[in-house]
Amino acid sequence: DTGVSQDPRHKITKRGQNVTFRCDPISEHNRLYWYRQTLGQGPEFLTYFQNEAQLEKSRLLSDRFSAERPKGSFSTLEIQRTEQGDSAMYLCASGPWTGTGGWQTFGSGTRLTVV
Amino acid sequence: AQTVTQSQPEMSVQEAETVTLSCTYDTSENNYYLFWYKQPPSRQMILVIRQEAYKQQNATENRFSVNFQKAAKSFSLKISDSQLGDTAMYFCAFLSTGANNLFFGTGTRLTVIP
Repeated sequence: DTGVSQDPRHKITKRGQNVTFRCDPISEHNRLYWYRQTLGQGPEFLTYFQNEAQLEKSRLLSDRFSAERPKGSFSTLEIQRTEQGDSAMYLCASGPWTGTGGWQTFGSGTRLTVV
Repeated sequence: AQTVTQSQPEMSVQEAETVTLSCTYDTSENNYYLFWYKQPPSRQMILVIRQEAYKQQNATENRFSVNFQKAAKSFSLKISDSQLGDTAMYFCAFLSTGANNLFFGTGTRLTVIP
């Protein structure tokens, strides 16, 4: 297993364009998380999936953001009509759920720059 | 809501010396998990150490150990025999047993000086 993979590593887009990021979790992990990290800050939770079900969304996830995890495997995060404020590192993590708490393994992230 | 505070934005330590990074948190819950993650420059975040709040014994992982003070809501990370590869951002994180996402502090940038 090669860990959590994210693609692309970097994305530069013009304001108003749509972008899509992909995350491939560790295969035996049933939970998948998306976080956003801006410069000088810790990651902030966006949303998570248990298998294919999206169970929680943060208030940070505006209507322009949508995430999917078809078949409970890889996940995509799409941002429509990007704004300069969307510039950030988007981190994906996956983890097992032990019933009382679980750790998360992070990918290398996708750095988005909106110009 | 849970909050995690890391009051040291930057720290430095001489190679082979010991350094302690501070973290405090605020919660009304009794059962939870605490983590230290390491994020090297331009590289992915790596779990360093994990502590379960119901365990009184402090977690240890090779050169990394924690000082968990539940009553004081303090969770510091001690790095012994610091190595150049320890240079990174270190994030303290909190996970409630009833929640599904990690709450992170703002991080401490650690530089190990040769």
